[in-house]
Amino acid sequence: AQSVSQHNHHVILSEAASLELGCNYSYGGTVNLFWYVQYPGQHLQLLLKYFSGDPLVKGIKGFEAEFIKSKFSFNLRKPSVQWSDTAEYFCAVNAGTGRRALTFGSGTRLQVQP
Amino acid sequence: DAGVTQSPTHLIKTRGQQVTLRCSPKSGHDTVSWYQQALGQGPQFIFQYYEEEERQRGNFPDRFSGHQFPNYSSELNVNALLLGDSALYLCASSLAPGRPLHFGNGTRLTVT
Repeated sequence: AQSVSQHNHHVILSEAASLELGCNYSYGGTVNLFWYVQYPGQHLQLLLKYFSGDPLVKGIKGFEAEFIKSKFSFNLRKPSVQWSDTAEYFCAVNAGTGRRALTFGSGTRLQVQP
Repeated sequence: DAGVTQSPTHLIKTRGQQVTLRCSPKSGHDTVSWYQQALGQGPQFIFQYYEEEERQRGNFPDRFSGHQFPNYSSELNVNALLLGDSALYLCASSLAPGRPLHFGNGTRLTVT
C-alpha cells in the first residue's frame, strides 16, 4: 500500500526566509506526486504536480518541488516566503497507473511571521 | 469559488443517527471522490465514483456508502454514527480517475 510521510508538522519562518518542506512516500513503482495547499478558511488547492519528465516542477506562487526517485522524496521549496504563504501544505501520491486514489500526508502547518 | 459545492456546511448529529452529505462536482468533471479529514490529519480516502459506480474504496466500514447520479453529483451516507465519525468531509471532483482533484469547502460533521 502507498503511504506518505511529512516530517515537519509545524514550521515557523520569518518573511523572506527560504522554505523546504519534506515529503517521502513508500511505493516502489511509478508514482504521480502532488502538493496541495489549504489557506485559512479556504478549500484545498493544487500547488503543483509531477507525472513524468523533468523532476524539478514549478507550481503557482513561486513554489517548486523536486522528485528524487532514489530517495522516494518530493520536497517542496520556495526561495523567499511571504506572510500570505501561511497555510497548511499537504503532499499526496497516487501510485501505479495513476488511476488510483490519492493518498495524503498528515500535512505541515506553515506560519510566516511578518 | 471552489467550483465543487458541498452541502450542508455544518451538521450536528447524535450517535446512532444517519447522515447524508451532498456534492456537486465542478462543471465538466465526471469523477467524484470523498475524503474524511480528522482534526490535525490529512484527508483519508473513503471512495470514488465514476459512471455512477463505486470504483475504488478506502479502508472505511460498510456504514459509509455513497451514490453518484446521472448528472455526476454525489451523496455520502453514513449510518449508525459514532463519535469518531466527527470530521470534515471533503468532496473532490476530477476530469477522470487519477487526474488532479478539485476540492470543495467540506462539510463539518459533529457527532455528539
